[in-house]
Amino acid sequence: GAVVSQHPSRVICKSGTSVKIECRSLDFQATTMFWYRQFPKQSLMLMATSNEGSKATYEQGVEKDKFLINHASLTLSTLTVTSAHPEDSSFYICSATRTGNNQPQHFGDGTRLSIL
Amino acid sequence: SQQGEEDPQALSIQEGENATMNCSYKTSINNLQWYRQNSGRGLVHLILIRSNEREKHSGRLRVTLDTSKKSSSLLITASRAADTASYFCATADSGSARQLTFGSGTQLTVLP
Repeated sequence: GAVVSQHPSRVICKSGTSVKIECRSLDFQATTMFWYRQFPKQSLMLMATSNEGSKATYEQGVEKDKFLINHASLTLSTLTVTSAHPEDSSFYICSATRTGNNQPQHFGDGTRLSIL
Repeated sequence: SQQGEEDPQALSIQEGENATMNCSYKTSINNLQWYRQNSGRGLVHLILIRSNEREKHSGRLRVTLDTSKKSSSLLITASRAADTASYFCATADSGSARQLTFGSGTQLTVLP
């Protein structure tokens, strides 16, 4: 069964709305979670690394004030797309990894965000 | 940033045939992983090969790793229509072992 749950799976909203996406690790504690963005027929682009109890680490070119990340517990990270605009429409995917070396990432099922 | 290049970009085969996908990368790695993605879904981990390993098997999957050439291949034997998906390689760099850098992906279509 799924070890990472991502919610919601799809969001359609008006321009200017803020949207929160949740990522939960279901059967292990994840000190680190990752947020990706994926455009159609393209690969995953890492947006940020979410660290439990500390600030997220953002990749170059990703606006931290636009994409707010909160990792308040060992099983939950949230991504909030603030004042979303049509260009923010995309497929957002989170992942979590167990502690230790050579661990795979476990992915949520993604959130399809459509801004009208 | 993308460091992996995969080829082919798209592959179409008949059910029962073998499918081979290749991945190249640029930096020193801790491990290389292969993932599968069905359309509109998240990624599913298939197999992880460490930098000191050369070959690994899992069911119908066979992965090779050549660190001297900075390349890896994924072989799916006796393919099935249900294997139709996008396949991505991802590398965990030596310096940041938990963060992955994904390749461009191969879209595999298995025709019944």
